[in-house]
Amino acid sequence: EVGMTQSPATLSVSPGERATLSCRASHNIGSSLAWYQQKPGQAPRLLIYDAITRATGIPARFSGSGSGTDFTLTISSLQSEDFAVYYCQQYENWAPYTFGQGTKLEIK
Amino acid sequence: QVQLLQSGAEVRKPGSSVKVSCKASGDSFNDYAVSWVRQAPGQGLEWVGQIIPMFNTTRNAQKFQGRVTISMDEATNTVYVELRSLRSEDTAVYYCARGSLPTTMRWFDPWGQGTLVTVSS
Repeated sequence: EVGMTQSPATLSVSPGERATLSCRASHNIGSSLAWYQQKPGQAPRLLIYDAITRATGIPARFSGSGSGTDFTLTISSLQSEDFAVYYCQQYENWAPYTFGQGTKLEIK
Repeated sequence: QVQLLQSGAEVRKPGSSVKVSCKASGDSFNDYAVSWVRQAPGQGLEWVGQIIPMFNTTRNAQKFQGRVTISMDEATNTVYVELRSLRSEDTAVYYCARGSLPTTMRWFDPWGQGTLVTVSS
């Protein structure tokens, strides 16, 4: 099973600033990584797949990078609607598909 | 654009079973893999299992082997997850999600709205 570790657990950033979230895989997963955003009481929403490709309708301020074991989600200029919990997920080695434990992005 | 609509919240006693449904509208499930993912209160996301409608095959996460059945009704475009021998630790929101290919999930998009299953005596 591929373990996914996200850091930090909580990130406090001011609106308009840049946020950088990290995700590390326990094994090489190539570019088989997705990022999701989840707001309270809502289902997760796909942001990024194949490590770098934005999903349909996702604003350009969201970008993904990395390959192998280390990945980053960057939000270039935080908007109020971006404060949420973010999860990474690997799909290189399954079953099971595995998720990180999440990073909570909160307003500073 | 496909939307996934799940059945309503359920309350069950320990040792009993629950069956949650996920109906697709706007597209067919037949062309994509479908998974179930659960989220315990205040916790992260955990993959439960998947069904490949094209081959009517299923696979579950090891920890759910023997307790979970995922099935599909092609006529109504609905996927189901049944969890047996419920225990308090199964209390969670259960989500269905569509995969990106007919024979494998890869990423999960879109997701259903979630169904809260509460296991309590």
